[in-house]
Amino acid sequence: GNSVTQMEGPVTLSEEAFLTINCTYTATGYPSLFWYVQYPGEGLQLLLKATKADDKGSNKGFEATYRKETTSFHLEKGSVQVSDSAVYFCALGFGNEKLTFGTGTRLTIIP
Amino acid sequence: GAVVSQHPSWVICKSGTSVKIECRSLDFQATTMFWYRQFPKQSLMLMATSNEGSKATYEQGVEKDKFLINHASLTLSTLTVTSAHPEDSSFYICSASIGRVRNEQFFGPGTRLTVL
Repeated sequence: GNSVTQMEGPVTLSEEAFLTINCTYTATGYPSLFWYVQYPGEGLQLLLKATKADDKGSNKGFEATYRKETTSFHLEKGSVQVSDSAVYFCALGFGNEKLTFGTGTRLTIIP
Repeated sequence: GAVVSQHPSWVICKSGTSVKIECRSLDFQATTMFWYRQFPKQSLMLMATSNEGSKATYEQGVEKDKFLINHASLTLSTLTVTSAHPEDSSFYICSASIGRVRNEQFFGPGTRLTVL
């Protein structure tokens, strides 16, 4: 079956540090890949996505590249801010079907 | 655009009562809606998938008689937790999908259910 494995947290960084959250997947076929962010007490918001190999999704300074050869979709940001503190979920999906989520990575940025 | 709302945002109920949670797509018609459950500090667990006008498809291990899902229109799906017990306390999140062409789900803000 499909699965997503992401870096376990929690991750604590200082403001302006470089961020990487690893995500790898197992799937039959070629899924779309997503990063969602969940702020405290809220639902999930789509952060970025990529629908095919070598696509790069980007939003709010975050980037992730769909790497078919390594089945990865690592999330990166060059300089994090306190407001980036949240839980980040990597996910995969096919068409209009259900999403498969990773376990989430809690990120805390300290001033 | 593509806003999904949930109501209520939180609810506290007594054990044995039933609770209904609504999920609405406010500015689009959702061909498919999904219901997830999230335990503290854990990922989302898909409970069921519902398409407008048809019966919901439940994931393995989810009791369909306990978690009743109705998808009456293209903008509304409801989840009813029947005879709720403390172990049903959780954060319930719905999402809506626009269609087959646009592969994206839009999530509601979630409903926190506490059963006393």
